[in-house]
Amino acid sequence: GAGVSQTPSNKVTEKGKYVELRCDPISGHTALYWYRQSLGQGPEFLIYFQGTGAADDSGLPNDRFFAVRPEGSVSTLKIQRTERGDSAVYLCASSAGTGNEQFFGPGTRLTVL
Amino acid sequence: DAKTTQPTSMDCAEGRAANLPCNHSTISGNEYVYWYRQIHSQGPQYIIHGLKNNETNEMASLIITEDRKSSTLILPHATLRDTAVYYCIVRGGADYKLSFGAGTTVTVRA
Repeated sequence: GAGVSQTPSNKVTEKGKYVELRCDPISGHTALYWYRQSLGQGPEFLIYFQGTGAADDSGLPNDRFFAVRPEGSVSTLKIQRTERGDSAVYLCASSAGTGNEQFFGPGTRLTVL
Repeated sequence: DAKTTQPTSMDCAEGRAANLPCNHSTISGNEYVYWYRQIHSQGPQYIIHGLKNNETNEMASLIITEDRKSSTLILPHATLRDTAVYYCIVRGGADYKLSFGAGTTVTVRA
């Protein structure tokens, strides 16, 4: 079956621009997670959705970052006024429920020039 | 605070067993040991998890010491495709976050 997909695979933008990163979870998975991975480091938690609601957004670095999941399936991570420090790989994962095995997508590599 | 300690890197010979250690001396009674790996330019992939008993699946075996303060992931017959960063993660049963450390970079050599 289809795994978690993320689009685009690569995104290059200029400092100050707005970007949207999309995640399509595995069908039927109620839990969805976003992580960010900087070069040479492990992924860091950003936000967790259970259904349509963000159950924990404590990992979002500041208010320039926002994520939605309006119908409980696809999620979009939105970054306003991008900064060079936002450059990283943004990973999405989904699971059948809280505490279940998380399945990761391939990530979106964001480069802010 | 890091909950696990892993070696930074290790080399393994193709076809031999690879034994990856992990220390988690502060693990709580309801916390599981999870292993994920990340092949270059891919997302992390679940390998195996356990609470206190040893576990085996088609990918690997997980050996947890009796005091649960350390564990070993065993790849029984390493192949070149097993070259990856391996993450040992301690996670509560109801936890939703995965807290990744730096992991162990495993290089399988022909």
